[in-house]
Amino acid sequence: GAVVSQHPSRVICKSGTSVKIECRSLDFQATTMFWYRQFPKQSLMLMATSNEGSKATYEQGVEKDKFLINHASLTLSTLTVTSAHPEDSSFYICSARTIATAYEQYFGPGTRLTVT
Amino acid sequence: RKEVEQDPGPFNVPEGATVAFNCTYSNSASQSFFWYRQDCRKEPKLLMSVYSSGNEDGRFTAQLNRASQYISLLIRDSKLSDSATYLCVVNGNNDMRFGAGTRLTVKP
Repeated sequence: GAVVSQHPSRVICKSGTSVKIECRSLDFQATTMFWYRQFPKQSLMLMATSNEGSKATYEQGVEKDKFLINHASLTLSTLTVTSAHPEDSSFYICSARTIATAYEQYFGPGTRLTVT
Repeated sequence: RKEVEQDPGPFNVPEGATVAFNCTYSNSASQSFFWYRQDCRKEPKLLMSVYSSGNEDGRFTAQLNRASQYISLLIRDSKLSDSATYLCVVNGNNDMRFGAGTRLTVKP
């Protein structure tokens, strides 16, 4: 089946620093990738949708200058959390989709970010 | 109103019980529907797609009622390993919207 990887799986950083999270589709080409955030005991919240080669579409309330998304190829998307603050601590999950899979999304294992 | 609404539970049931989860969605133009399962601190995993004709996969049965904008998941003969959060997912043109999830705990 389709596999999506994320790196790193866990990261601890200091307040004010930036963190980059990578999302890769390993055995298929992802026309669209999604970035979600999940706080403890809450649902997944879509942050942004990115299509390869174009700018990401951000959900309302998500700061595009703070959460930089780059989808440079059909197998790689990156999320950079700039000037991270403790309230950015969360579980970040990416997913990838290809039209051939009838809109089914394949999720990465997630990245747990802790900002101290 | 939330785009996808689910009863958060928790549902605590004994092994062998039958349990049903419900979900409603607000966007009548939604095109496809899924149930995902999420274990604690893990990513969601697709459990099954949901079709208007209803579909069954072993102990799991999913139903869709487009007129009522309602989706259901029935789990028969619950196993301890079924304990998880079940997410109702509705897909529009280019994105998927998740319900908050229904938490299920199956007890011995």
